[in-house]
Amino acid sequence: DTGVSQNPRHKITKRGQNVTFRCDPISEHNRLYWYRQTLGQGPEFLTYFQNEAQLEKSRLLSDRFSAERPKGSFSTLEIQRTEQGDSAMYLCASSGDGNQPQHFGDGTRLSIL
Amino acid sequence: AQSVTQPDIHITVSEGASLELRCNYSYGATPYLFWYVQSPGQGLQLLLKYFSGDTLVQGIKGFEAEFKRSQSSFNLRKPSVHWSDAAEYFCAVGALEGKLIFGQGTELSVKP
Repeated sequence: DTGVSQNPRHKITKRGQNVTFRCDPISEHNRLYWYRQTLGQGPEFLTYFQNEAQLEKSRLLSDRFSAERPKGSFSTLEIQRTEQGDSAMYLCASSGDGNQPQHFGDGTRLSIL
Repeated sequence: AQSVTQPDIHITVSEGASLELRCNYSYGATPYLFWYVQSPGQGLQLLLKYFSGDTLVQGIKGFEAEFKRSQSSFNLRKPSVHWSDAAEYFCAVGALEGKLIFGQGTELSVKP
């Protein structure tokens, strides 16, 4: 169990650019979640996958956001045409089925200049 | 609507003193409840969880929490705080499909 891995740890980009983050979950976990955390707040749910199927998306996930988990293993989260308000920590978590506890990665901190 | 409230944004305790962090939830069914801890710039680490059964649950690092259905609460406690416990603490409820709904968090500072 090597834990949940997220890359990059930090991303600085100019407004209007596209960015992509990667998450490698714990290998035996079927479920993968993305959350967004802004300063002083708790994480907010964005989307989740059961294997390769994306089963739910939050209304927070605008059309500029897209997530994939093509082979049911790693996942990517892409933000197109970034805006100032996208600056946040993006957290990935994985778990087994049901309400098994989620294990979190260390996150990707996105800063928009 | 499902929600979690952590009334205390910031708490300061002296090292060696006892600690209680409050958490209230709103959820229609039997809740699955969690406490996570987050150090600066890091992800979240699970401290403990409640699914069913004994309402007093033990976690890692000497933490415990008590589920009180009548009060819709799941408060976190520790009898003696260590300086290394300084961090942000999040209470969460597990909603449908396992997604977590988090409270705003309580920042804990520990005085020497």
